[in-house]
Amino acid sequence: AQSVAQPEDQVNVAEGNPLTVKCTYSVSGNPYLFWYVQYPNRGLQFLLKYITGDNLVKGSYGFEAEFNKSQTSFHLKKPSALVSDSALYFCAVREGSNTGKLIFGQGTTLQVKP
Amino acid sequence: DAEITQSPRHKITETGRQVTLACHQTWNHNNMFWYRQDLGHGLRLIHYSYGVQDTNKGEVSDGYSVSRSNTEDLPLTLESAASSQTSVYFCASSGTGTGGTEQYFGPGTRLTVT
Repeated sequence: AQSVAQPEDQVNVAEGNPLTVKCTYSVSGNPYLFWYVQYPNRGLQFLLKYITGDNLVKGSYGFEAEFNKSQTSFHLKKPSALVSDSALYFCAVREGSNTGKLIFGQGTTLQVKP
Repeated sequence: DAEITQSPRHKITETGRQVTLACHQTWNHNNMFWYRQDLGHGLRLIHYSYGVQDTNKGEVSDGYSVSRSNTEDLPLTLESAASSQTSVYFCASSGTGTGGTEQYFGPGTRLTVT
């Protein structure tokens, strides 16, 4: 069965430093992977996705994610964090190739301090 | 611009009452989903639909129902509200295709059952 794990409940980083939010997955077949961000009292916003192709995926707000098949990981990264990046981040994997269902991780709170 | 809206944004109801939460999307998406978000549980899928007249149960469907009479709307009904259904509810939609299609989320409805 497909699953996704975010091993860190919270990540703290200083403004201007690079950030990484970790995600690992388990799928049968080709993975379809997604990152979402949720700001307080808002719905989830799509950041980026990996379907196939280049292992480095670029998304919104300067975020990127690196797909690593051998390590079954899809970590979210940003070269220079902003205080405004502080939010809840979700990794998700599509349940199967013929379904629209997504399986979400538990979420990681990113705290960027000035 | 296309969007997905939810109403009401906040709702307080009493135990035992029937409640309906509305979801409307103008993306012309075939797929629609209802989730609930609770602390410590992340996002949990309640019901979903892949098209008009199609509905399916998710992992936490007990006490909830949906109907899909057109492409744009997927109302969620709580047949007899219980305190355990106090939560934030999100509706989402996505298109169909061979690739992984991202879901677009509404702003959420905060439901309190007293």
